[in-house]
Amino acid sequence: DGGITQSPKYLFRKEGQNVTLSCEQNLNHDAMYWYRQDPGQGLRLIYYSQIVNDFQKGDIAEGYSVSREKKESFPLTVTSAQKNPTAFYLCASSIGGLLIGTDTQYFGPGTRLTVL
Amino acid sequence: AQKVTQAQTEISVVEKEDVTLDCVYETRDTTYYLFWYKQPPSGELVFLIRRNSFDEQNEISGRYSWNFQKSTSSFNFTITASQVVDSAVYFCALIKGDSSASKIIFGSGTRLSIRP
Repeated sequence: DGGITQSPKYLFRKEGQNVTLSCEQNLNHDAMYWYRQDPGQGLRLIYYSQIVNDFQKGDIAEGYSVSREKKESFPLTVTSAQKNPTAFYLCASSIGGLLIGTDTQYFGPGTRLTVL
Repeated sequence: AQKVTQAQTEISVVEKEDVTLDCVYETRDTTYYLFWYKQPPSGELVFLIRRNSFDEQNEISGRYSWNFQKSTSSFNFTITASQVVDSAVYFCALIKGDSSASKIIFGSGTRLSIRP
């Protein structure tokens, strides 16, 4: 089955620690995205990648880093510089290419990160 | 600036009632795309529909229907004969027509509760 997987579903970390959230897709999509969702709010874009080895900052990139070494994978690292990291993190992908920017984004199941 | 407003924070209806979720958007672009996503308690965002700004035809898919009106900048979503499984948070979203930014703007969501 094609889809997007995120692991783990729940993640706990101590203050001051970096943590990496996994996102894998087997949809052969060029574009991938990371969003943050806080309670009662919509999604905010952290980073996105239109193609392998390239990525762009979104609206709230501070305290986060990403890499895109493979088409299928777009891991997100939440660094200790992120002041309020407790949130629900959603990864998405889209076909991209010539349609980038207007194509439909499909989402993974999300990772709920809690900082203790 | 682009903006999506979902003024209804929470809606609660009894099963089998019809319910309409409102979405009002702001954009200066003539070409844009509108989306609705469903977020059930599991957390994953499920894609429901994508419409472009040149297609104002209403759409029906089973119990779901969408009313797109450019004159009022609205893209409302109606569920007919609601069911308990429709309980979720619903997000309306907008993306501009040019592909430079690849940013989708989400509304803050409407939490829909269907009571048995």
